[in-house]
Amino acid sequence: RKEVEQDPGPFNVPEGATVAFNCTYSNSASQSFFWYRQDCRKEPKLLMSVYSSGNEDGRFTAQLNRASQYISLLIRDSKLSDSATYLCVSGSARQLTFGSGTQLTVLP
Amino acid sequence: DADVTQTPRNRITKTGKRIMLECSQTKGHDRMYWYRQDPGLGLRLIYYSFDVKDINKGEISDGYSVSRQAQAKFSLSLESAIPNQTALYFCATSDDSTDTQYFGPGTRLTVL
Repeated sequence: RKEVEQDPGPFNVPEGATVAFNCTYSNSASQSFFWYRQDCRKEPKLLMSVYSSGNEDGRFTAQLNRASQYISLLIRDSKLSDSATYLCVSGSARQLTFGSGTQLTVLP
Repeated sequence: DADVTQTPRNRITKTGKRIMLECSQTKGHDRMYWYRQDPGLGLRLIYYSFDVKDINKGEISDGYSVSRQAQAKFSLSLESAIPNQTALYFCATSDDSTDTQYFGPGTRLTVL
């Protein structure tokens, strides 16, 4: 079983749609959680950290459920520029574990 | 200027050759990491270093070695490259106060 599991997609959504990604992690000792964004053949870039209380950054909302070991990302009012692969990440001070990514394409 | 740089950006080599990938950072971070990325497998940790005297193996260290020459430099070597080491290699850094990692632009390595 992978330590961080994500639905690989692809998710193809029209511009303006709301889309949600989910992820599960297996290491209950994980202390840090993130969503990274990766464009094709480019480096991963931090999208947002994920906190137990949930957090929002503009059109993006992240949630963490420690009891279920489940992380989510909600994107509202999708833009063409949101097309990318979204990586779910969990870990601790010494190591982060990256999911394989969920591919999103926003269609005009 | 980029905070984390990697050289070369692309490299094609032959089986059995020794290859070194270099990473430099101007972020002043103590922690540095090397990952490889393969389609469908995500990022996998090869080695990491928390300071110049600290080197640790990651998930897939076999066939690789590293050198932390200074706080700002962390190089990855393939002593004798083999075709299944064909991948996209990323260097990353983080500081002591947060687990957030910042990635270099990557090196695309092809072993023929």
